[in-house]
Amino acid sequence: QVHLVQSGTEVRQPGASVKVSCKASGYPFNSYGFTWVRQAPGQGLEWMGWISGFNGNTNYAQRLQDRLTLTTDSSTSTAYMELRSLGSDDTAVYYCARDQGSNGYSPWGQGTLVSVSS
Amino acid sequence: EIVLTQSPGTLSLSPGERATLSCRASQSMSGTYLAWYQQKPGQAPRLLVYGASSRATGVPDRFSGSGSGTDFTLTISRLEPEDFAVYYCHQIGSSPLTFGGGTKVDI
Repeated sequence: QVHLVQSGTEVRQPGASVKVSCKASGYPFNSYGFTWVRQAPGQGLEWMGWISGFNGNTNYAQRLQDRLTLTTDSSTSTAYMELRSLGSDDTAVYYCARDQGSNGYSPWGQGTLVSVSS
Repeated sequence: EIVLTQSPGTLSLSPGERATLSCRASQSMSGTYLAWYQQKPGQAPRLLVYGASSRATGVPDRFSGSGSGTDFTLTISRLEPEDFAVYYCHQIGSSPLTFGGGTKVDI
């Protein structure tokens, strides 16, 4: 069974960085990419970016590309999302999802709450 | 950027009724790249439909997607209690990838 398990809640001060992990199991890691999506409290979904599980190619949302880095570690079947220079508007639940291309994102991780506050 | 506008914002219905959710794109796009997701409170989104009309694995056949060009629809033929949730459309055909604002289906 395919599963994505994310790391736990993070609390950061403004200006800091955060790195969230997403461990995959139940399928060949290199066969799919990962998409990251975030959701601010009470708000809708925002696409952040994508990384290939095969060769590490990336595609970032323009408004985040200066602060966002997506990586993968095939030895541990884990994808990572690092966001720098955090501000209060980065407070959100961050989700990873297995990217099946035109077949959609499935499954999703359980989500990681990142709270930015002084 | 393709803007996806979902309507209505909230749909108040009863179990057994039919729900029709709309997703309108700001420019014509291929249905190949349009998906629908369901999100319940406190849970991650779940893929329902991809390619505008293909149901994802395990999705009940009361859910159906249709549409082309700029107008796409998700229909729930007979609402079950577990279907009360927020539904998002999402396009992956043009960067930046975008989500609609969501339609909440509640009782």
